[in-house]
Amino acid sequence: GENVEQHPSTLSVQEGDSAVIKCTYSDSASNYFPWYKQELGKGPQLIIDIRSNVGEKKDQRIAVTLNKTAKHFSLHITETQPEDSAVYFCAAKRDTGGFKTIFGAGTRLFVKA
Amino acid sequence: ETGVTQTPRHLVMGMTNKKSLKCEQHLGHNAMYWYKQSAKKPLELMFVYSLEERVENNSVPSRFSPECPNSSHLFLHLHTLQPEDSALYLCASSQDQGSDTQYFGPGTRLTVL
Repeated sequence: GENVEQHPSTLSVQEGDSAVIKCTYSDSASNYFPWYKQELGKGPQLIIDIRSNVGEKKDQRIAVTLNKTAKHFSLHITETQPEDSAVYFCAAKRDTGGFKTIFGAGTRLFVKA
Repeated sequence: ETGVTQTPRHLVMGMTNKKSLKCEQHLGHNAMYWYKQSAKKPLELMFVYSLEERVENNSVPSRFSPECPNSSHLFLHLHTLQPEDSALYLCASSQDQGSDTQYFGPGTRLTVL
């Protein structure tokens, strides 16, 4: 079945450094790739997304890149702050043949002050 | 505030108990979802409802029984659960079944003794 692999499972960075989380998807028909942030005691919240017709998207300190050929996509957080500490999930979804969103296993990001 | 609320936030139950989880969305969405979140594993989609009709059941054991009385409310009835069912149960909604963005509630932390 379809799956999304996410690495690393845990990431620790110093405040101000950059953090990169990488995902690989198996379903070549996937065309929508959201990223969710889950803080302690809360549900996942959408922070950025990208569609397959775009290679890169940026929103202030966060950016996402997509390589359709390799079926890779990545989340980049620059100038990390302690409040960026959370679990981040990538996901992949197709628009045809079923609407299921397939999630990665998550990356726990620690930003040390 | 995501507009999706879940009660209770925490639940401890014995294997012979019967309990129910409640989800309510205030977003006017037509689709609602139940997910199971276990540590270091991808979110597992359990059930999908679209316009109060169940459209997906991902081979979930019958000890989990969903109910969607209207498009704003979703329940998950639990009976004779097993310790391995202990997890965070997340409810989500989206405008329609095929919509890209899902809005999650804070989850119910379930412990089965």
